[in-house]
Amino acid sequence: ETGVTQSPTHLIKTRGQQVTLRCSSQSGHNTVSWYQQALGQGPQFIFQYYREEENGRGNFPPRFSGLQFPNYSSELNVNALELDDSALYLCASSGGLAGSITDTQYFGPGTRLTVL
Amino acid sequence: LAKTTQPISMDSYEGQEVNITCSHNNIATNDYITWYQQFPSQGPRFIIQGYKTKVTNEVASLFIPADRKSSTLSLPRVSLSDTAVYYCLVGVEGGATNKLIFGTGTLLAVQP
Repeated sequence: ETGVTQSPTHLIKTRGQQVTLRCSSQSGHNTVSWYQQALGQGPQFIFQYYREEENGRGNFPPRFSGLQFPNYSSELNVNALELDDSALYLCASSGGLAGSITDTQYFGPGTRLTVL
Repeated sequence: LAKTTQPISMDSYEGQEVNITCSHNNIATNDYITWYQQFPSQGPRFIIQGYKTKVTNEVASLFIPADRKSSTLSLPRVSLSDTAVYYCLVGVEGGATNKLIFGTGTLLAVQP
């Protein structure tokens, strides 16, 4: 069974640029959630996708957007990057049999984004 | 605004039982409470999940009172390798969309 994978592992961008982060969910999972974790802080929920539809969203501006594909992999897009967007971006997948937002989530290793 | 709070840090010795409590004052009625362990520069690792009363697995127990406004993670006999940050995760009600909130995190330091 393949776990959650994310790419790239590290990324450096400059302020104002756009970035796309990718996540492959664990085999058999149909729900993907994205989190932002600043250094020394807990993860902050960005949004969740269940069967290609947004199933929940945290307090992030519209320049944070996402997609889920028919194979349940997902992308996180961030436009107009700001210095405060520097963080570890975590993806988690879950089975979502009932579409509950709190179904058990399994996390990937994260993508470290640095904005200069 | 929903708050999910935990003690900032706890110290323990190898072999002791450790209990970490999370207070969640605005938890959604139908959602689970989940606990995770996180080591530096890694994604959180699932420990245990429950809805009410008590749940036990091979590594931990989870105690949830009837009002579900708090939960307690119990690690029965900690070892040095249990030194990590522990988070609770809950769903919260209110607003136009579902939200997930991690607790503030508890740094557990286990000493020999």
